[in-house]
Amino acid sequence: AQSVTQLGSHVSVSEGALVLLRCNYSSSVPPYLFWYVQYPNQGLQLLLKYTSAATLVKGINGFEAEFKKSETSFHLTKPSAHMSDAAEYFCAVSGPGGNRLAFGKGNQVVVIP
Amino acid sequence: GAVVSQHPSWVICKSGTSVKIECRSLDFQATTMFWYRQFPKQSLMLMATSNEGSKATYEQGVEKDKFLINHASLTLSTLTVTSAHPEDSSFYICSARWGQGYEQYFGPGTRLTVT
Repeated sequence: AQSVTQLGSHVSVSEGALVLLRCNYSSSVPPYLFWYVQYPNQGLQLLLKYTSAATLVKGINGFEAEFKKSETSFHLTKPSAHMSDAAEYFCAVSGPGGNRLAFGKGNQVVVIP
Repeated sequence: GAVVSQHPSWVICKSGTSVKIECRSLDFQATTMFWYRQFPKQSLMLMATSNEGSKATYEQGVEKDKFLINHASLTLSTLTVTSAHPEDSSFYICSARWGQGYEQYFGPGTRLTVT
């Protein structure tokens, strides 16, 4: 079984500052890892994914994440926060094949002008 | 590409009635569809996985007779909440993928309120 831990339900960041959202996973098989963004009353949009290729993954809207097997982590970063980055962010893990995504509890990101 | 729609986007129903939610893949054939439930300020919980033409596989703790899932075609899956009660009020999100691909494409969600 796979699981994900995201600490800190609310994250405040100043506009222009670094965005860092932490994700640690647990998996008994080689994991596939995902970061999704959700805007109010909308579905999920894929930001980026790791599927056993390059460990540094670049996604949309300037986000990137690095897979670190030794730390069982897949933290999400963006060098400079924009007001439009205010949203809920979810980390998710699945086994190879992508079945049965397990989501973390999410981080609500607030961007302060 | 890879667009998934849901209908309705929100619905209010009375306790004891049934509600059907549709999930459609608009530009691809979805061999597998997933249904999730999301409570306010919480994460998504997988309810069931459905493959076209076969019975859905429900997660532990999800009542099969209450949440009826039908995946009759490669572009449509439906979730019917039978005899709805206020505790069924939630945000229901579907996702779809094709073939053996790992990536799931999510619909915009349906907010159900049972009064």
